[in-house]
Amino acid sequence: EPEVTQTPSHQVTQMGQEVILRCVPISNHLYFYWYRQILGQKVEFLVSFYNNEISEKSEIFDDQFSVERPDGSNFTLKIRSTKLEDSAMYFCASSDGVPEAFFGQGTRLTVV
Amino acid sequence: AQKITQTQPGMFVQEKEAVTLDCTYDTSDPSYGLFWYKQPSSGEMIFLIYQGSYDQQNATEGRYSLNFQKARKSANLVISASQLGDSAMYFCAMSLRTINTGTASKLTFGTGTRLQVTL
Repeated sequence: EPEVTQTPSHQVTQMGQEVILRCVPISNHLYFYWYRQILGQKVEFLVSFYNNEISEKSEIFDDQFSVERPDGSNFTLKIRSTKLEDSAMYFCASSDGVPEAFFGQGTRLTVV
Repeated sequence: AQKITQTQPGMFVQEKEAVTLDCTYDTSDPSYGLFWYKQPSSGEMIFLIYQGSYDQQNATEGRYSLNFQKARKSANLVISASQLGDSAMYFCAMSLRTINTGTASKLTFGTGTRLQVTL
């Protein structure tokens, strides 16, 4: 069964460093998303991406964040200068236009 | 803006019994979708079931059913014949637009209900 793949599963980084979280969406999907979940809290929307551009972004998604689809398969989330409060589980999701989105297994980001 | 409310932080159910997890939502948009996701302790988000606002019948997927009451704005998840493997966090979520409009529609999540299945 096709699935969304995220790498790495766990990343530890020092405050102020740049991180890139990688995602390979399901191959025929056109809609891509990033969500985050701070430990013990609800899942929050960050950004959606369609037709090679951002469709919508939340107020969390400030200038420190960027997304890219560098080739036909990868979808990346970059955090330019990480802060302690960026520590969270980051989920990539994709959809082919039918309502349900399929999530990857997540990347746990720890900023120290 | 849309909002999802899950008022049960935790629930216990005995194995083989049925359990209902509550979810209410708020939106002024007539076209929306309601979802339930399961998050086991390993952390991944597993899609369980979907209900569109225009769907006439309640959605069912195996042991999962969604009790959709539009007038009450509720979308409760019913799990029948609970199993130990059902122990997990359950999230209700909503998106606006139920059809492909050429734009990506985000999910808004509730705070979740932790379900514990006991012997």
